[in-house]
Amino acid sequence: SQELEQSPQSLIVQEGKNLTINCTSSKTLYGLYWYKQKYGEGLIFLMMLQKGGEEKSHEKITAKLDEKKQQSSLHITASQPSHAGIYLCGAGANTGNQFYFGTGTSLTVIP
Amino acid sequence: GAGVSQSPRYKVAKRGQDVALRCDPISGHVSLFWYQQALGQGPEFLTYFQNEAQLDKSGLPSDRFFAERPEGSVSTLKIQRTQQEDSAVYLCASSLGGFRPDSNQPQHFGDGTRLSIL
Repeated sequence: SQELEQSPQSLIVQEGKNLTINCTSSKTLYGLYWYKQKYGEGLIFLMMLQKGGEEKSHEKITAKLDEKKQQSSLHITASQPSHAGIYLCGAGANTGNQFYFGTGTSLTVIP
Repeated sequence: GAGVSQSPRYKVAKRGQDVALRCDPISGHVSLFWYQQALGQGPEFLTYFQNEAQLDKSGLPSDRFFAERPEGSVSTLKIQRTQQEDSAVYLCASSLGGFRPDSNQPQHFGDGTRLSIL
C-alpha cells in the first residue's frame, strides 16, 4: 500500500510567521492533494498538484510537487489564526481505487 | 443541501450491536468513498463506489463491515456485531467523475459520523 509521511506532526507558530509542511510518498506520485480539517468536521479541499514541478497558490497558501523526490510541500505565508487546523496530504493508489492520506500535521497559530 | 450529508452525527452502541451509517453524496457525483478516522490519525480508506458498483473494498477491516450504494446515490455502511475497536469517525466523500489517481477530482467530505462502542 502507499504510505504518505508528513512532517512535522504538529506545529505551533506565532501569528504572522511563515511555515512549511512536508509530505513524502513511499511510491511514485501521479497526483497529490492537500486538505484541511477542523476538529469535528470533514476535510476541506485546498488544492491538487498533478505534474512534477507544479506550484499552486490559494490566498496565502502555496503548494509544490517534486515528483522525483516523491514529495510535496505546503507553505503558509504570514500565518493567521484562521489557518489553524489539521493539514492532510492525500494521493490515489497507482493501481486499484484506494485513496490514501498522510498522517496529518496539526497547526496552531497563536495570536 | 449542496454538500455531502452524513447521519447520524453521533452514534453510541453497545458491543455486539449492529449499526448503519448513512451518506447522502452530492447529487450527480459518480464516485463515493468511505473512510475510517481514528483519533489523531489521518482517514483510512475503507471502500470505493463508482455509481452503484463497489469497485474496491480492500480497506474494510473485517467481514463485519459491509457497504452498499444500490441506486448509485445514497450509500450505507453497516457494521455487524460491533467491537470496541470500531469506535472512530466514519467519513464519506463524493467526487464528480470516476476515480483516477492523476485526475483533478477533489473529494467533497461530509462531517462524519462519530461512532462510540461501549
